[in-house]
Amino acid sequence: GESVGLHLPTLSVQEGDNSIINCAYSNSASDYFIWYKQESGKGPQFIIDIRSNMDKRQGQRVTVLLNKTVKHLSLQIAATQPGDSAVYFCAENKLRGGSNYKLTFGKGTLLTVNP
Amino acid sequence: GAVVSQHPSWVICKSGTSVKIECRSLDFQATTMFWYRQFPKQSLMLMATSNEGSKATYEQGVEKDKFLINHASLTLSTLTVTSAHPEDSSFYICSAPPSGVGQPQHFGDGTRLSIL
Repeated sequence: GESVGLHLPTLSVQEGDNSIINCAYSNSASDYFIWYKQESGKGPQFIIDIRSNMDKRQGQRVTVLLNKTVKHLSLQIAATQPGDSAVYFCAENKLRGGSNYKLTFGKGTLLTVNP
Repeated sequence: GAVVSQHPSWVICKSGTSVKIECRSLDFQATTMFWYRQFPKQSLMLMATSNEGSKATYEQGVEKDKFLINHASLTLSTLTVTSAHPEDSSFYICSAPPSGVGQPQHFGDGTRLSIL
């Protein structure tokens, strides 16, 4: 069935190192992918997105890579800081008939940054 | 900009009571809003899509008579958990796409619901 999942449930890195969070998806018809950061007790915060006609997109300290061949998505965080500690979700935005989009979240990866 | 506000942020109530949660778009209009539920250490699960001027669309397995949704205006959607029971305890989060469907959704900070 359709799903968006993550390879690693937890990731621990040292401050200053680069972090890579991975995500697999199964629906090749998906056209839009988003990474969210969720801190404890808060709602998800938008980080970066990428459309299916792209394979790379860069933001401030973050890069998202999309490999449609193997249906894989990754989020790279450069020079990880303690404030980056949170749960990171990939989400898949699928066209569900007409103009209705359904956002499907992956399981989440807990990133812990050690000072 | 593009702020989504939820109220209350935390509520505790007795089993059998009904609880209303509000979701507001503060600086944009939203014809569509989304309601999610998140259990501890789990992902967000879409419950329903709230549509201004029409009935909400519920995901499979979500009881529409249990979770009443009203999209009263272009800036307000409410979720009412009727006759709440302990198993309804969860983190409820709403979202809205400031630039329309298909664009990044902005999320509220959630409502922690605890039913005793």
